[in-house]
Amino acid sequence: QTVVTQEASFSVSPGGTVTLTCGLTSGSVLTTYYPSWYQQAPGQAPRTLIYNTNTRSSGIPDRFSGSIVGDKAALTIAGAQADDESDYYCVLYMGSGVWLFGGGTKLTVL
Amino acid sequence: EVQLVESGGGLVKPGGSLRLSCAASGFTFGTYTINWVRQAPGKGLQWVSSISSTGSYIYYTDSVKGRFTISRDNAENSLYLQMNSLRVEDTAVYYCARSSSPPKFDYWGQGILVTVSS
Repeated sequence: QTVVTQEASFSVSPGGTVTLTCGLTSGSVLTTYYPSWYQQAPGQAPRTLIYNTNTRSSGIPDRFSGSIVGDKAALTIAGAQADDESDYYCVLYMGSGVWLFGGGTKLTVL
Repeated sequence: EVQLVESGGGLVKPGGSLRLSCAASGFTFGTYTINWVRQAPGKGLQWVSSISSTGSYIYYTDSVKGRFTISRDNAENSLYLQMNSLRVEDTAVYYCARSSSPPKFDYWGQGILVTVSS
């Protein structure tokens, strides 16, 4: 069974840049999986950041960017701010109505 | 403004049933696929089920197949999830989420808590 992998946790300094990744236990993450990224602050519903690998959702600042790096999808946050401290989830669309979520990355800004 | 509002959660015993609802507004409900996504306490998000705009295509994650039934009423702008034979491991916050093309979840409800416990 294919699993989407993400770093469990990551830390970044205020103003710094961090790249979170999203891989598969078998195979590469391709653009045809339409990777998307979601931010979830504690106690809140998820918010859509990036879709279709690198398209920012409405209202999302350009500090957030998506890409494919090697065999993984990546979310880069530049100029990290205190309120970027959240959980970040990668989601892949596997086709035929099936979605796979990664386990999420807990980002700490300190 | 797009809004998705879940209701129907609560405490239920193992083996019991519960029906969740999601009331939609601010968009043409009958033209979008809608999904249920859940999050167990302290855990990550998990896709549960999807239903296409007309209800013709329905999908479930393996762990709920045969126990959960997704449905929709486009005249009422509402989505439902009938949950039967509930297990302790179904305990989670359940989110209603709209999806659109290219594939993404673009709007989320605030979620509703379902607790399965004796």
